[in-house]
Amino acid sequence: QKEVEQDPGPLSVPEGAIVSLNCTYSNSAFQYFMWYRQYSRKGPELLMYTYSSGNKEDGRFTAQVDKSSKYISLFIRDSQPSDSATYLCAMSYAGGTSYGKLTFGQGTILTVHP
Amino acid sequence: DVKVTQSSRYLVKRTGEKVFLECVQDMDHENMFWYRQDPGLGLRLIYFSYDVKMKEKGDIPEGYSVSREKKERFSLILESASTNQTSMYLCASKGWGSFRAFFGQGTRLTVV
Repeated sequence: QKEVEQDPGPLSVPEGAIVSLNCTYSNSAFQYFMWYRQYSRKGPELLMYTYSSGNKEDGRFTAQVDKSSKYISLFIRDSQPSDSATYLCAMSYAGGTSYGKLTFGQGTILTVHP
Repeated sequence: DVKVTQSSRYLVKRTGEKVFLECVQDMDHENMFWYRQDPGLGLRLIYFSYDVKMKEKGDIPEGYSVSREKKERFSLILESASTNQTSMYLCASKGWGSFRAFFGQGTRLTVV
């Protein structure tokens, strides 16, 4: 079983839709939870992060972490064609030499069509 | 802005060749990583380094080695390239105590 599982997608939605992207994980030692966005032919870039459980909002994006269920989500409100990209969840430990080692989900390809 | 530069965008190599992928970062980051990205499998960690000359195996180190002789440079070596190593290779760096990784643009390697 992979440490981090991400809904495979691909996902295609109309402009203005609310998008929900999800990941589950099995390792309770993960403390940092991140979402990276990767445009075509580019490297991933950090979109949002959360430490431990809770919600975090940044404009149209909301990240949620539920450590009791080992489940994280990214919500995109009023989705735009410019949001079309691959979204990768990533997780990290909080100490030791493995601190900062990122474990990624498989990625979900999102297309927002006008 | 942090810049992570990978030496090539595209590479075509023959089976059995020794292949070097180079990565340089300009922000004095302690941690550097090599991932490969394949459709449906996401990013898988090959090796990472948390200091000069220090390295740790990631999830899929078989068939690869790494070198970090200087802080800014992290090299991935395929000792004898095989067709199943055809992939997109991504280098990343991050500072100690930070969780934000910065990625290079990727090297698409094809082994024929």
